[in-house]
Amino acid sequence: SQELEQSPQSLIVQEGKNLTINCTSSKTLYGLYWYKQKYGEGLIFLMMLQKGGEEKSHEKITAKLDEKKQQSSLHITASQPSHAGIYLCGASGEYGNKLVFGAGTILRVKS
Amino acid sequence: DSGVTQTPKHLITATGQRVTLRCSPRSGDLSVYWYQQSLDQGLQFLIQYYNGEERAKGNILERFSAQQFPDLHSELNLSSLELGDSALYFCASSARLNTDTQYFGPGTRLTVL
Repeated sequence: SQELEQSPQSLIVQEGKNLTINCTSSKTLYGLYWYKQKYGEGLIFLMMLQKGGEEKSHEKITAKLDEKKQQSSLHITASQPSHAGIYLCGASGEYGNKLVFGAGTILRVKS
Repeated sequence: DSGVTQTPKHLITATGQRVTLRCSPRSGDLSVYWYQQSLDQGLQFLIQYYNGEERAKGNILERFSAQQFPDLHSELNLSSLELGDSALYFCASSARLNTDTQYFGPGTRLTVL
């Protein structure tokens, strides 16, 4: 079965600093999703990547997919306290359906 | 707000009891997914329904069952509850069967005492 490994497990950054979260899959990636979660709350969809080399941006968050490395990265530029939360990557199988999730990266932004 | 609603928000019950969690998908979405999130297991897929039919199963216990009704809302039934069933239960919905983005509801926090 597919497994997703996220790194780092947790991160504390000073407000204004850039940061990167990685997600590595044990199997071929057909679709890679990034979600953000506030503790105890629902998941907020950020971005979906499907093609190797694809890169998407929304506000100060950029996600990339490296198909060959079976890896995705999420980069936040000039972090703000509003970026704090848990970032989860999820991968869909060849036929979609269920998502397999990584363990999450806890981000704290110090102001 | 994702457009997916879940009730109740919190549920506290005793071991051995049975509970029902309810989910209303986003308007127009035909596919509903249930996930369980716990500290030790993380976020795990339980089951998917599409337009009333079960389409995929994950690590769902036999004590758990789900259904999707003609109006597309879904219910997750948990019976013979154990302490280890305490978790956040999420419902997600997507427009079609596969490859669409799944939008998550706010979750139901189940506490089994």
